[in-house]
Amino acid sequence: KNEVEQSPQNLTAQEGEFITINCSYSVGISALHWLQQHPGGGIVSLFMLSSGKKKHGRLIATINIQEKHSSLHITASHPRDSAVYICAVRGAQKLVFGQGTRLTINP
Amino acid sequence: KAGVTQTPRYLIKTRGQQVTLSCSPISGHRSVSWYQQTPGQGLQFLFEYFSETQRNKGNFPGRFSGRQFSNSRSEMNVSTLELGDSALYLCASSLDMTGELFFGEGSRLTVL
Repeated sequence: KNEVEQSPQNLTAQEGEFITINCSYSVGISALHWLQQHPGGGIVSLFMLSSGKKKHGRLIATINIQEKHSSLHITASHPRDSAVYICAVRGAQKLVFGQGTRLTINP
Repeated sequence: KAGVTQTPRYLIKTRGQQVTLSCSPISGHRSVSWYQQTPGQGLQFLFEYFSETQRNKGNFPGRFSGRQFSNSRSEMNVSTLELGDSALYLCASSLDMTGELFFGEGSRLTVL
């Protein structure tokens, strides 16, 4: 079993829909990162969380440390949100990544 | 403020050769970490440097090595290249080892 599991692996939605991507992890962590990767490779850090909830524009990230679970929400989704979203947790020694969620938003 | 710069962006090598990749972090950032991304394995942690010292290392063979200079710039080296080393190599910088990560565009290595 992977230390970091994301679901779903692929998600296709219509413009305007509310999107939720989930991340579960099995190790103790000091922080959790949500990353966005567009085709071509560049990765952008969206959030870094150690507790609670953060909001940036249409993006919201939450984390429940007791349940070892985090969610990334996108409100009023737009085709430009189409990308791979990656959850990464910082354990004792290193950053461990989920396999990513490929999100496609159709106009 | 300039972002993280990785060079070269693309390179092609043959099996058995060695390669050196460079990463210039954002000014003031002292931590640099390296990652390998392949279609099969996804993103994997290679190593992390802070103040010229390797602080953490991932599960990669000794052919993969790196270093960090006094100006925080970092290099990674892969010796005796194998076909399976073909990947996108990404570096990220942060103020310290616990901060937000800022990624470079990556160096895409193809081994023939």
